Amino acid sequence: KQEVTQIPAALSVPEGENLVLNCSFTDSAIYNLQWFRQDPGKGLTSLLLIQSSQREQTSGRLNASLDKSSGRSTLYIAASQPGDSATYLCAVSTGGSYIPTFGRGTSLIVHP
Amino acid sequence: ETGVTQTPRHLVMGMTNKKSLKCEQHLGHNAMYWYKQSAKKPLELMFVYNFKEQTENNSVPSRFSPECPNSSHLFLHLHTLQPEDSALYLCASSQGGGSYEQYFGPGTRLTVT
Repeated sequence: KQEVTQIPAALSVPEGENLVLNCSFTDSAIYNLQWFRQDPGKGLTSLLLIQSSQREQTSGRLNASLDKSSGRSTLYIAASQPGDSATYLCAVSTGGSYIPTFGRGTSLIVHP
Repeated sequence: ETGVTQTPRHLVMGMTNKKSLKCEQHLGHNAMYWYKQSAKKPLELMFVYNFKEQTENNSVPSRFSPECPNSSHLFLHLHTLQPEDSALYLCASSQGGGSYEQYFGPGTRLTVT
């Protein structure tokens, strides 16, 4: 059974810092890994999707990497802003199943 | 605007009530999903529909009954719920199942009294 762990569970940083959020998974036979952002009480917004054949994806200040062999993904946020404050979730879709497994998320606060 | 809408946004119901949650996607996708998000627990997939056919039922109690009349609409019928069913219920869609990017609706906050 796939298990997804996100570290740290919470993070509070001053504006302008570069951040790394971590996601690890136990079964490397994945279809893809997706990073989401969730604002309090709201739905999830897709940030980046990395297919199993890819090593990284970039969108603006965000960069996500994938290392299947070690079961890890990182989400890099450059020059953080207060508007980046949210919970960041990673989800892994494992081969042969439509059921994505989510981590518990990293709650990020960026203060001015 | 995410392209996936959910109604109602908030719902309070008693344990003997029957209610339905509605999800609609305007993205031309073929797969739709129901998720449950409880406090302090990871997001849990409940049901998956692909081309209107249910392809996954993740051991969900029968008091939750999904319905997918077409690729754009998904319902979750609720009856005789328990207080522990109180949660945020999220709908999502994707072009297909599995390897495609998922798009989420804003969710329905359900409270069972």
